[in-house]
Amino acid sequence: AQKVTQAQTEISVVEKEDVTLDCVYETRDTTYYLFWYKQPPSGELVFLIRRNSFDEQNEISGRYSWNFQKSTSSFNFTITASQVVDSAVYFCALSDAGGFKTIFGAGTRLFVKA
Amino acid sequence: ETGVTQTPRHLVMGMTNKKSLKCEQHLGHNAMYWYKQSAKKPLELMFVYNFKEQTENNSVPSRFSPECPNSSHLFLHLHTLQPEDSALYLCASSQGDRASGANVLTFGAGSRLTVL
Repeated sequence: AQKVTQAQTEISVVEKEDVTLDCVYETRDTTYYLFWYKQPPSGELVFLIRRNSFDEQNEISGRYSWNFQKSTSSFNFTITASQVVDSAVYFCALSDAGGFKTIFGAGTRLFVKA
Repeated sequence: ETGVTQTPRHLVMGMTNKKSLKCEQHLGHNAMYWYKQSAKKPLELMFVYNFKEQTENNSVPSRFSPECPNSSHLFLHLHTLQPEDSALYLCASSQGDRASGANVLTFGAGSRLTVL
């Protein structure tokens, strides 16, 4: 069975600090996809990134970076120089190769204080 | 309108009522989804429709009845709900098929349901 674990329920940082959100997944599939989504207070989940299981190259997008390590089944998300607008709930998700069944972790609520 | 639109945004209903949630996507996507988000659980996938055909029913109780008349519209009909069904119901859509791999989901803002 597939599973996504986000062990950090809540994280609080001060603006400009770096913060890493952890994600550990379980799957028996050899082909799978990993995602991060952001849910701001307005409630609408917003897609951030998708990686497939064959691409372990780390990715950077502005202040966001992602570290995918198959050896530890982890897909961690780092925000550099955090800002108040980064305050949200962040979800890590896993999908099988078929593409239509995406399961989510419990989410990590990030508070960034000014 | 753009994106995924859900109505109503808030709904309060008694256990004997019948109501419906509506979702509409203006993205030209072929797949639509219902997810349930409650306070103490991760997002739970409820139903998936691909080209109007239901492809997933994640053991959802029959008091929730989905309807997908076309690829742009998705409904969730509710009847004789329980207080524990109170949650945020999120609709999503995606473009893609099994050959192209996992779909990126575009979510609506959700319908907050309270069952008294």
